[in-house]
Amino acid sequence: QKEVEQDPGPLSVPEGAIVSLNCTYSNSAFQYFMWYRQYSRKGPELLMYTYSSGNKEDGRFTAQVDKSSKYISLFIRDSQPSDSATYLCAMSGRAGGSYIPTFGRGTSLIVHP
Amino acid sequence: KAGVTQTPRYLIKTRGQQVTLSCSPISGHRSVSWYQQTPGQGLQFLFEYFSETQRNKGNFPGRFSGRQFSNSRSEMNVSTLELGDSALYLCASSLALKQGPVSGELFFGEGSRLTVL
Repeated sequence: QKEVEQDPGPLSVPEGAIVSLNCTYSNSAFQYFMWYRQYSRKGPELLMYTYSSGNKEDGRFTAQVDKSSKYISLFIRDSQPSDSATYLCAMSGRAGGSYIPTFGRGTSLIVHP
Repeated sequence: KAGVTQTPRYLIKTRGQQVTLSCSPISGHRSVSWYQQTPGQGLQFLFEYFSETQRNKGNFPGRFSGRQFSNSRSEMNVSTLELGDSALYLCASSLALKQGPVSGELFFGEGSRLTVL
């Protein structure tokens, strides 16, 4: 079992839909939880990060962390075609003096007009 | 502010050859990490350098090596290339302090896409 599990999709939704992306993990030492977005032929860029459990909102994006269930989610409201990308969850905890993130495989999201 | 720059962007090699990839981090960032990205395995951590020292290493064979220079620029080298080394190699820099990163935020370059024939 991988430390971080993420459904690769693809997930296809119509424009304006609410999108839910999820990851589960097994390592209870994870403290930081992040979501990265990666467009085709580009490097990942950080969208959201949260520390420990709880919710965080930024515009149309909401990140949720449930440490008791080892489950994190990213919600995208009013999805746009420009949101079409691969979304990677990542999590980290202290190891050797540095918080090296472990990434999920990514979920491919397609938002069609 | 310039982002993370990786060169070359694309390269084709044959089995048995070696390759060197270069990464220039964001100015002021002292931590540089390298990742391998493939469709089957996703993003896998190779190693991390901080102030010219390898601070963390992933589970890759010794054919994969790296170094960091005093100006924080980094290179990674893969020797005796195998077909399975075909991947996107991503470099990421961060504002890591000696004790640990500020937030775990990584700033990625656009990657070097390596094809091994």
